[in-house]
Amino acid sequence: GIQVEQSPPDLILQEGANSTLRCNFSDSVNNLQWFHQNPWGQLINLFYIPSGTKQNGRLSATTVATERYSLLYISSSQTTDSGVYFCAVEKVDTGANSKLTFGKGITLSVRP
Amino acid sequence: DGGITQSPKYLFRKEGQNVTLSCEQNLNHDAMYWYRQDPGQGLRLIYYSQIVNDFQKGDIAEGYSVSREKKESFPLTVTSAQKNPTAFYLCASSRGPGNIQYFGAGTRLSVL
Repeated sequence: GIQVEQSPPDLILQEGANSTLRCNFSDSVNNLQWFHQNPWGQLINLFYIPSGTKQNGRLSATTVATERYSLLYISSSQTTDSGVYFCAVEKVDTGANSKLTFGKGITLSVRP
Repeated sequence: DGGITQSPKYLFRKEGQNVTLSCEQNLNHDAMYWYRQDPGQGLRLIYYSQIVNDFQKGDIAEGYSVSREKKESFPLTVTSAQKNPTAFYLCASSRGPGNIQYFGAGTRLSVL
């Protein structure tokens, strides 16, 4: 199956700093999503980004499908950005079935 | 309120007991999914269903069962055959292969 690797595994930032989170995947995919898991466990969709670049406020993401990686940028970090960030990829097979495969996540701590 | 509702939030299982986790969605999505998350890990797929009355095993289906009798409901039963059921269980739905998956708030299952 597809392998998804996220780096770095842990990240500590001072409030106001910028950061880049990386996701590498081992095969071509039809879809890629970035999630933020808050301290209560809720998974929040950040981006649906199989290719290209998107921006949403202080967050932006870029996926280069031909090189099998995606980057999540966080600018001017805030303490509320703390939590775990997951990258998940989806490959639709010939039977039109699909499965999201998750990376192990990046734990971000933003200190005031 | 539109979205995915999981219940209960916390659940305790006794030795040899089957327990059922509820997942309901009012997004009119065709596809529904169950994932398991262990501490410090990403999510792993248990079962998924692309259409009513049909479902497929995911990567870790042993010890679990599901049904999909209605479009809006996809309950998961953790059977006594699942020897290590303590985990955080997340339900998701989407319009189908290649589309965004949206997640419920999760159920934390513990063994007494």
